[in-house]
Amino acid sequence: ETGVTQSPTHLIKTRGQQVTLRCSSQSGHNTVSWYQQALGQGPQFIFQYYREEENGRGNFPPRFSGLQFPNYSSELNVNALELDDSALYLCASSPSGTAYGYTFGSGTRLTVV
Amino acid sequence: AQSVTQPDIHITVSEGASLELRCNYSYGATPYLFWYVQSPGQGLQLLLKYFSGDTLVQGIKGFEAEFKRSQSSFNLRKPSVHWSDAAEYFCAVVESGGSYIPTFGRGTSLIVHP
Repeated sequence: ETGVTQSPTHLIKTRGQQVTLRCSSQSGHNTVSWYQQALGQGPQFIFQYYREEENGRGNFPPRFSGLQFPNYSSELNVNALELDDSALYLCASSPSGTAYGYTFGSGTRLTVV
Repeated sequence: AQSVTQPDIHITVSEGASLELRCNYSYGATPYLFWYVQSPGQGLQLLLKYFSGDTLVQGIKGFEAEFKRSQSSFNLRKPSVHWSDAAEYFCAVVESGGSYIPTFGRGTSLIVHP
């Protein structure tokens, strides 16, 4: 069984630019969540998708948006990048809710300069 | 709203010594509780989870955790630490019957001395 894969692994962007991060969920998982992990902090919930619909959102501004595709892969888009957006972005998938525990990808390290 | 507190930012132990990492949560009912480990540059790996039943749960890599309702705690333990256990450890809580979206603590960094 394949795990969760994220791309790219590292990315450097300039303030004001837009970025798209990608995630392939684990086989059999239909729920994908995105987390932002700043240096020295725990993961902060951005939003969750279940069967292509957003069904939960954390305290992040609208310039953070996402998509889930019919094969349950997902994208995270961030517009108008700010320096504080520099972080590790983690994708996690689970089968119909997190009661079973997430499977995490290795993350995308985004640096905004 | 649920919250998770990991009071220790860093813990240093000698290889072979026992380990206990603390986790306290704030939530009215019995939550679902998780411990994850993160090695440098990696994502989070699930060590163990508690939903209900036996309050002592066994996980991977020789870890265990005990749920204590009276103390709102879910501390992680290991009887003998190996150098490869050096990593960041995160406790997470999920509101049972709610949105099933976990809230993570800020993590405890484990340093293992030879």
